[in-house]
Amino acid sequence: AQRVTQPEKLLSVFKGAPVELKCNYSYSGSPELFWYVQYSRQRLQLLLRHISRESIKGFTADLNKGETSFHLKKPFAQEEDSAMYYCALSGDTGNQFYFGTGTSLTVIP
Amino acid sequence: DTAVSQTPKYLVTQMGNDKSIKCEQNLGHDTMYWYKQDSKKFLKIMFSYNNKELIINETVPNRFSPKSPDKAHLNLHINSLELGDSAVYFCASSQAMTGNQETQYFGPGTRLLVL
Repeated sequence: AQRVTQPEKLLSVFKGAPVELKCNYSYSGSPELFWYVQYSRQRLQLLLRHISRESIKGFTADLNKGETSFHLKKPFAQEEDSAMYYCALSGDTGNQFYFGTGTSLTVIP
Repeated sequence: DTAVSQTPKYLVTQMGNDKSIKCEQNLGHDTMYWYKQDSKKFLKIMFSYNNKELIINETVPNRFSPKSPDKAHLNLHINSLELGDSAVYFCASSQAMTGNQETQYFGPGTRLLVL
């Protein structure tokens, strides 16, 4: 069963427009949710995690347990935000870490 | 219909031992990767193979040696295991390496604990 779903494989927005990358998850316990980002030709890196409740590079993500979602948002997209974004879930028991299939974000100048 | 599989899921071993982790993908992808996830959940790429050829070899101790018998498999051999090798290791694959359009499909991870 797919634990983490990112419904959009490709997403294009104009510079300055709001952007939302969707992530839904399926997990019965108390997971921890993450967003990873991979810029072109760079390694995958952690962007933010829900327990930190922080804003990184203007991005925020709120864990909505009722909707089982962890959407990534930014009010004003920048060209340097163009990258591949992966949503990930860490289970609360042992070796459980699930990645979504990723969303490629392109910010159009 | 598992896309990227890893064995074993858990590996507990003593310091100094030699162990292997296997990875297989049935997606027909050309590129495979090994990542190490540290205790803070940061993922660090270790190796990347494209069509059985080593493409990326980050600063990793030479105790770690990847082997790709064919493009569907990328195994990770670790010699003389150390305590600091304890981590979760993820295998991944993608169709190609160029650009940021390529989705990487990750395996479930192998949790290695060195005692």
